[in-house]
Amino acid sequence: EAGVTQSPTHLIKTRGQQATLRCSPISGHTSVYWYQQALGLGLQFLLWYDEGEERNRGNFPPRFSGRQFPNYSSELNVNALELEDSALYLCASSVEFLGNTEAFFGQGTRLTVV
Amino acid sequence: EDQVTQSPEALRLQEGESSSLNCSYTVSGLRGLFWYRQDPGKGPEFLFTLYSAGEEKEKERLKATLTKKESFLHITAPKPEDSATYLCAVQAGLTPLVFGKGTRLSVIA
Repeated sequence: EAGVTQSPTHLIKTRGQQATLRCSPISGHTSVYWYQQALGLGLQFLLWYDEGEERNRGNFPPRFSGRQFPNYSSELNVNALELEDSALYLCASSVEFLGNTEAFFGQGTRLTVV
Repeated sequence: EDQVTQSPEALRLQEGESSSLNCSYTVSGLRGLFWYRQDPGKGPEFLFTLYSAGEEKEKERLKATLTKKESFLHITAPKPEDSATYLCAVQAGLTPLVFGKGTRLSVIA
């Protein structure tokens, strides 16, 4: 069974540009989470989508946005890139079955803003 | 506000030297406590989910336990390949996972 897949693996952008990151969840998973992991910092929650709707949003500016498609894949968009947006962006998908929850992560997209 | 504190920040062990990692949490209505392993530059790898105090789960040399205020990840006779950052996260109600900053484990042969 395929795990969570993210693309691209690496992305280099110039300050002020826009970046689009993609995530395909595990088959059958309807929830997708996005996290930012800057160098030396912990995982910071960005966005949570479930069944096509935004369920929760972390303390990030509005230039961080996203969406979930009918097939449950998701896109994270970052507008007006700033140098401090350089980080590993992680996507996770989860499913709850009989009260048990497991959340699995992809390998991440390394975004570098120059 | 949900909080997760992991200790120590870094731990250096000799191969075969057993130890424990701590995850203290403050959350209203714990729904689950998660442990992950993360290698440098990679996404976190799911290890365990614990749901109620007294619960224990094992996987190879790892054993996770849960109380009402903290969780321990016990590592028995570690090997160099166990070197990684171990992350703890909690989920309360319909909220996303809140992560601690992790414990960086180094196992020396």
